Amino acid sequence: GESVGLHLPTLSVQEGDNSIINCAYSNSASDYFIWYKQESGKGPQFIIDIRSNMDKRQGQRVTVLLNKTVKHLSLQIAATQPGDSAVYFCAEGTSGTYKYIFGTGTRLKVLA
Amino acid sequence: NAGVTQTPKFRVLKTGQSMTLLCAQDMNHEYMYWYRQDPGMGLRLIHYSVGEGTTAKGEVPDGYNVSRLKKQNFLLGLESAAPSQTSVYFCASSYSRRDSRAGELFFGEGSRLTVL
Repeated sequence: GESVGLHLPTLSVQEGDNSIINCAYSNSASDYFIWYKQESGKGPQFIIDIRSNMDKRQGQRVTVLLNKTVKHLSLQIAATQPGDSAVYFCAEGTSGTYKYIFGTGTRLKVLA
Repeated sequence: NAGVTQTPKFRVLKTGQSMTLLCAQDMNHEYMYWYRQDPGMGLRLIHYSVGEGTTAKGEVPDGYNVSRLKKQNFLLGLESAAPSQTSVYFCASSYSRRDSRAGELFFGEGSRLTVL
């Protein structure tokens, strides 16, 4: 079983509803942000990214919003499906470095 | 195209034993990383490499060594395992920073290590 993330904050959402997962980042110099999805027993999987010169970016069923003023990032998932159940991590990075700082994650549970 | 492959997937060690985790990628990525993941914490970077023959320390490098003798392989070594190194280890690779896709890390499935 998956022991990582035992005490993660959990968001429970009804199937078909929209989900919003939030993330606060720490480094005001960060200029690149990424969302990853991690299913139980698997490695993280890239979802979407955004650079600091943008405040919104859309993908397939997902939207990332960036508010640099309050150092806040959010991931919106439209029409949440059972397959969206996973742990979601945000990560921040700075141009010119090779290191990304990952958040502690949020567990998304989709209720049938 | 297997992506990023880690071996072994599970290992139990006694304190003081040594071992090596192997990571292989077949995407011709320049950059490779080793992370550890512990309960209640985000992924933490142990070591990384920006090219064959080069390695650098991440956030939590103590107790680990790495080598990147071939572009496709990145090895993580524990010379004298300690219980604090019990964790799930993830290898990742990515394109170089010159590439617009540089932020997309491709992760392996993880290696669960228990040190008794």
